[in-house]
Amino acid sequence: DAGVIQSPRHEVTEMGQEVTLRCKPISGHNSLFWYRQTMMRGLELLIYFNNNVPIDDSGMPEDRFSAKMPNASFSTLKIQPSEPRDSAVYFCASRLLNEQYFGPGTRLTVT
Amino acid sequence: RKEVEQDPGPFNVPEGATVAFNCTYSNSASQSFFWYRQDCRKEPKLLMSVYSSGNEDGRFTAQLNRASQYISLLIRDSKLSDSATYLCVVHGGNAGNMLTFGGGTRLMVKP
Repeated sequence: DAGVIQSPRHEVTEMGQEVTLRCKPISGHNSLFWYRQTMMRGLELLIYFNNNVPIDDSGMPEDRFSAKMPNASFSTLKIQPSEPRDSAVYFCASRLLNEQYFGPGTRLTVT
Repeated sequence: RKEVEQDPGPFNVPEGATVAFNCTYSNSASQSFFWYRQDCRKEPKLLMSVYSSGNEDGRFTAQLNRASQYISLLIRDSKLSDSATYLCVVHGGNAGNMLTFGGGTRLMVKP
């Protein structure tokens, strides 16, 4: 298996622009997670899905952030409008039972 | 108090040394425990699960003490390639079905 796939790997955008991050989980995994990691705050859970249904989005910072999972093999995290404080590495992870695997992350820079 | 606490380090050790990390968790209802490893600018990767009876994987030994609510990771004969951040991870408890990550302990192995 190719593991969790994320795109793009790097994104540089200007403040106010819309950013869409994409994730393809490992086939057969029924839970998908979006995390954000910064030096200051460490690894933060933003939202997670179970069987394509959002279960807990309490970590989503504000209304500018939204996530969807239209099917078992694809999820998006959208930021609109983006702000410089959104600059971070965004990881997608998928899980079956107890073992959770992370994608390589998207490094987002908002100028 | 954070749910999962770790000494951030860094731990600077010479090659061949034995080094141990501890981690404490606050919720006694936590069910599963893991150590993840994260290299610089990479995603966290599952290193090993931690079982009540303790478990070993080559040079790595993980222990769980439920009574005192701490988890340990011992690395014997450390290699340069062991340099990374080690994340203590707890499943269950307050986080329900989600994983709760500690802030990580940075290890630097020197020649």
